[in-house]
Amino acid sequence: AAGVIQSPRHLIKEKRETATLKCYPIPRHDTVYWYQQGPGQDPQFLISFYEKMQSDKGSIPDRFSAQQFSDYHSELNMSSLELGDSALYFCASSLGVEQYFGPGTRLTVT
Amino acid sequence: ELKVEQNPLFLSMQEGKNYTIYCNYSTTSDRLYWYRQDPGKSLESLFVLLSNGAVKQEGRLMASLDTKARLSTLHITAAVHDLSATYFCAVESLNFDMRFGAGTRLTVKP
Repeated sequence: AAGVIQSPRHLIKEKRETATLKCYPIPRHDTVYWYQQGPGQDPQFLISFYEKMQSDKGSIPDRFSAQQFSDYHSELNMSSLELGDSALYFCASSLGVEQYFGPGTRLTVT
Repeated sequence: ELKVEQNPLFLSMQEGKNYTIYCNYSTTSDRLYWYRQDPGKSLESLFVLLSNGAVKQEGRLMASLDTKARLSTLHITAAVHDLSATYFCAVESLNFDMRFGAGTRLTVKP
């Protein structure tokens, strides 16, 4: 069965650069969630979208923005990267209650 | 590829009852996590299980790990309403990949 796809899987950026992470949900799933997991930390909820509209907002920094497109894929845009942004970024998709997580994008900011 | 299956996806319990959530995974792992998530919130770490036969308990929740069977369980004893949440298991593979189960939405009714 198709799973959630995230790209890239690994990304290395320098401070003050920008990064774009992509998430392709399971087909027919209408909801996407983004999480950030720093080293040794729990996954922190950033933002979610339902039917291309922002549905919930967590601890997403103002330097980050996200959107869900007409094909339901989502992108997380991160600007003015800081060292503290180094983390695993997970996307999850849902059609109801359950959340199917992608494999994550490991972002390293140097 | 590491895959994680969690069941059931939905669980409705009466207060005072016991139940078990199961988490199966497909390949050798380094550690297994159980998380709790309240609606619209981040995931909160409950347990980290590192070795075969590991058992951890916190309040009415007890988690165990059988690495030979590639199975972890989260047992709920004498459920109370405050335990209503979504519970995720996640498995970290030997190469530090992280995979999540789809979550179990637990509703405890009076």
